[in-house]
Order: sequence, then structure tokens, then C-alpha cells
Amino acid sequence: DSGVTQTPKHLITATGQRVTLRCSPRSGDLSVYWYQQSLDQGLQFLIQYYNGEERAKGNILERFSAQQFPDLHSELNLSSLELGDSALYFCASSATSVPGEQYFGPGTRLTVT
Amino acid sequence: AQSVTQLDSQVPVFEEAPVELRCNYSSSVSVYLFWYVQYPNQGLQLLLKYLSGSTLVKGINGFEAEFNKSQTSFHLRKPSVHISDTAEYFCAVMGIQGAQKLVFGQGTRLTINP
Repeated sequence: DSGVTQTPKHLITATGQRVTLRCSPRSGDLSVYWYQQSLDQGLQFLIQYYNGEERAKGNILERFSAQQFPDLHSELNLSSLELGDSALYFCASSATSVPGEQYFGPGTRLTVT
Repeated sequence: AQSVTQLDSQVPVFEEAPVELRCNYSSSVSVYLFWYVQYPNQGLQLLLKYLSGSTLVKGINGFEAEFNKSQTSFHLRKPSVHISDTAEYFCAVMGIQGAQKLVFGQGTRLTINP
């Protein structure tokens, strides 16, 4: 158990809909990262937040947005969903002291039908 | 920008045999290097990391990796594998300067046969 929790575990929705994925980082970790894992694109970095502020952006679509709240949990919002958005979405957290040592949650599997 | 190439998408080996999973990277800046493992239906877990110092790094579960700067490689090895090592292994890099984002390779599926 990494200490990172993600809800829901599975999500099935239709094209055009909007969903929210939630992540609670490990206790004390200020950084939260979102990744998308799909068969064709592999594991891709989407976005990083540090203590409520956006710190880095990767291959995140404009239809996607994220935020980190004062209690440090984070939400990833996906809107106008397309079939190609079906993927496993991981959240990870880290302490700033050790570069690259990120703790991953179990993921949310999103299926868009 | 960085990129990672994992040279084998699948590696089947017999139990107790040695294994090497190959990883090459490309970067215009100095990088940190990592191997992560993903067991079935789980998130990723850090196996080992190279930040600086000795080029041979040891990780959990008996794995080790060697950083070769001239060949821009970071191959993962284990002298004797176990059934429980069956998983997907991801090599990743992170630039020393700038954003703390991991760039992953496509993954290598390691299958251990009895």
C-alpha cells in the first residue's frame, strides 16, 4: 500500500460526458502528479501540483483540468469525453526531498462508451 | 526534452534464470534515472534510482541497474528471477533541472515461466 488513494476505482461513462477523478496523497506529501496510461500512448505525465499551485504541465488536453485543494487532495476533471480518453489514470505523490521518488495510487480505470 | 526507449516489449524467462531488461535514454541535459515496477492491477512502485555517485545501484527485491553515461543506458538486471517477479517494468528519466516530471519508456513485460 503506497498510502495514495484514488476514487473511484472504475468509471464507465458515455462520450460527451464529464467526470471527476479524486486523489489523496500520502500524509505530508505536498506534490501531486497525474498520469494517463493507455495501450497506444503508454504512461504519460499530465500535470503536477505543489501545495496548491500548478508546477508542471505535460501532455494534458485542454478538455482536462486539475486542481489541488488546501487539504492537499487533488481532482482531475475530464470533460467532453471521447472514446480515446479511455485509459487508466494514476495519481502519484512525493516529498520534495527525493527527486523522482513518487508513490503511485492504484489508479482509476475510465471507460468511455 | 527527454525520451526513453525500452528495447524489449516482452521478456520471457525461466524461474531462477538471470534477466536483463534494457533501457536507453536521450536527453540534452543531465538526468536522474529510475526503474518502476507495476504488478498486475496495481499502481507503479519504485524499484531503484540513480541520482549520482556509484553507477551500480541496488534496489528492492534483488534488482540492480547500471548507469552508463557514454552509452546513455540504464539496464536492469537480476541474477535469479522468481515467479513473483512477473510484472511490467518501466524505465524513467527526469531532468536534474526544471520540472520534476518523470518521462517513462513503453514498458517491458517480464514473464517468468516455471
